[in-house]
Parts: sequence; structure tokens; C-alpha cells
Amino acid sequence: SYVLTQPPSVSVAPGQTARITCGGNNIGSNTVHWYQQKPGQAPVLVVYDDSDRPSGIPERFSGSNYGNTATLTISRVEAGDEADYYCQVWDSSSDHLVVFGGGTKLTVL
Amino acid sequence: QITLKESGPTLVKPTQTLTLTCTFSGFSLSTSGVGVGWIRQPPGKALEWLALIYWDDDKRYSPSLKSRLTITKDTSKNQVVVTMTNLDPVDTATYYCAHATTSGTYQYWGQGTLVTVSS
Repeated sequence: SYVLTQPPSVSVAPGQTARITCGGNNIGSNTVHWYQQKPGQAPVLVVYDDSDRPSGIPERFSGSNYGNTATLTISRVEAGDEADYYCQVWDSSSDHLVVFGGGTKLTVL
Repeated sequence: QITLKESGPTLVKPTQTLTLTCTFSGFSLSTSGVGVGWIRQPPGKALEWLALIYWDDDKRYSPSLKSRLTITKDTSKNQVVVTMTNLDPVDTATYYCAHATTSGTYQYWGQGTLVTVSS
């Protein structure tokens, strides 16, 4: 089955840029979505189809996907961005099954 | 406005079968391109996708849990039901249902329901 690898944690100072990676075999050939989850809450979609943002998500959130790595970039990080972030793909090579990454805890210093 | 809500038992004994219902509003499961999926999250752990059903009754299951899962829909009631057999304490988790698109996006989620498996 398809495996997505995320770093367990990323730390960044307020105002800086955070980059959270999601590694997978030829992930660039799949569509990647990103979710933010704060403690005790359901996940929130922040980027879909590699780089699009749902309505209401700040432009500070952006995504890219190429080769074996997808990246979620959060610019001008704020304290309120501290959360767990999960990547997810729709694996076209395995009968279109859903796979989530292991999650990355973003800490705002 | 799309909303989803999970319902079901909060405590299940090992070896028993779990039945969870997702009741939704704001969309119809008879509309082309629409689906409802189930995702779970053990305490302190990552999200795990379980199953998905589409408007045309196409069903997909997690390979590791396929033998234990069944997903069905009742379009007239705006409900999706998932059953999981032979529960084990490792199945203790918060179970979410979510609106799905054909690109695999889950934009709308229920609040989740915590299911504890314990004797």
C-alpha cells in the first residue's frame, strides 16, 4: 500500500515561513490535500488539489507537489497556526484509495 | 450549509460489532460526484481512512480493514452507516464521517464520536 511520510514536528518563530513536507513514491502523479487539526477539533481542509485553497483559508497557506515530495508552506506564521497538519492523497495507482500521512506537529516558538 | 454528525455507541466490548451512523444535511448522496467517507483517529495518533461510498453506490475500503468493514447508504434518510466487526481495544478512536468529492477531498467533517473498546 501507498505510504506518505511526514516529519513528526516542525518549529518556527512567529512571522517566519514554515514548510511541512509529505514524501511518497512519485507523489507528484497524485493529487494531494492538506488538513489542519487543532486539539479536540475535527480536521480542517487548508489546501486541496495540490495548491488550491478553500474559501476562508488565508493566502498564507500554499501547496506544491512535484516528484516524490509535496510541501505545505505557511508564510508569516502566527500563533494560531500551531496545530497538527496531515497530507492526504487519492492514490490513483491502487484503485483510488485514500491515504493519510502520519501528521506533523507545527510548533510556533 | 453542509453538516454531518456521527452517532453510535460510546462503549463496545471486544469481539462485538460496531455500527456508526452519519446523518448529514446540505447535500444529497444522489448527486453525481458526491461521497461520504469514514476516518478514525486513535487518541494521540494520526488519522486513518476507513471507507468511502459514492452517489452511485461505488464503495472503497482500507485494504487493512476491508474484511471487517461494510459501508452502506440510505439516500432517503441522508444517512451513511459503517459497521466494523470483531472489535479490539486498538480500535478505540474518534470516528469521523466527512463529505467526499471524486478527487478525494474531505472539506466537510462531522464533530467525531469517541468509541472505546473495553470489557
